[in-house]
Amino acid sequence: EVQLVESGGGLVQPGGSLRLSCAVSGFTVSSNSMSWVRQAPGKGLQWASTSFGGGTIHYADSVKGRFTISRDNSKNTLYLHMNSLRAEDTAVYYCVRLRDWAFDYWGQGTLVTVSS
Amino acid sequence: DIEMTQSPSTLSASVGDRVTITCRASQSISTWLAWYQQKPGKAPKLLICKASSLESGVPSRFSGSGSGTEFTLTISSLQPDDFATYYCQQYTSYSSTFGQGTKLEIK
Repeated sequence: EVQLVESGGGLVQPGGSLRLSCAVSGFTVSSNSMSWVRQAPGKGLQWASTSFGGGTIHYADSVKGRFTISRDNSKNTLYLHMNSLRAEDTAVYYCVRLRDWAFDYWGQGTLVTVSS
Repeated sequence: DIEMTQSPSTLSASVGDRVTITCRASQSISTWLAWYQQKPGKAPKLLICKASSLESGVPSRFSGSGSGTEFTLTISSLQPDDFATYYCQQYTSYSSTFGQGTKLEIK
């Protein structure tokens, strides 16, 4: 059974940092492309970043230079390092697998709240 | 970035109705278009990828069509479980974007 379990969300002050983790079971992170998608409260879905199996990385303009996606293949885990956080980064962050340019497996999400 | 525009934003319908949601891309995306269903408090669920390829386990009343810049999601006969919010999504040109969503409500 495939499971993606996010953790690391919480309350952080503007300008602060946070690291999200996504522990994956049921497939290997190293041979798949993985992404983070976020959803602000009451709003729509917004793609943030993708780490392709071959090493290429994409970022949305809204997070470029502030967020870093990475993976630990030995732990089968995906990460999102978030720096210089802003109020507009407040959202539920979902870890997802990318297949055929669509997001087929989703975690349950972890809430990040940026507020003083 | 490619913009995705869904219409309508809200759709009121009854059980048994046939409904269609439209998604337009600001430039051609071939058939790299996916559709998702999201219920309150839950993660989205992939319904269709590559514009018309139904995911395993998704009921056959869901269908997708289109290519280039115009796409549709059709539900042939609405069931109570189908009332949710639907999103389209593309991934081309180094980034991905979602439509703003269509909320399907019970009439």
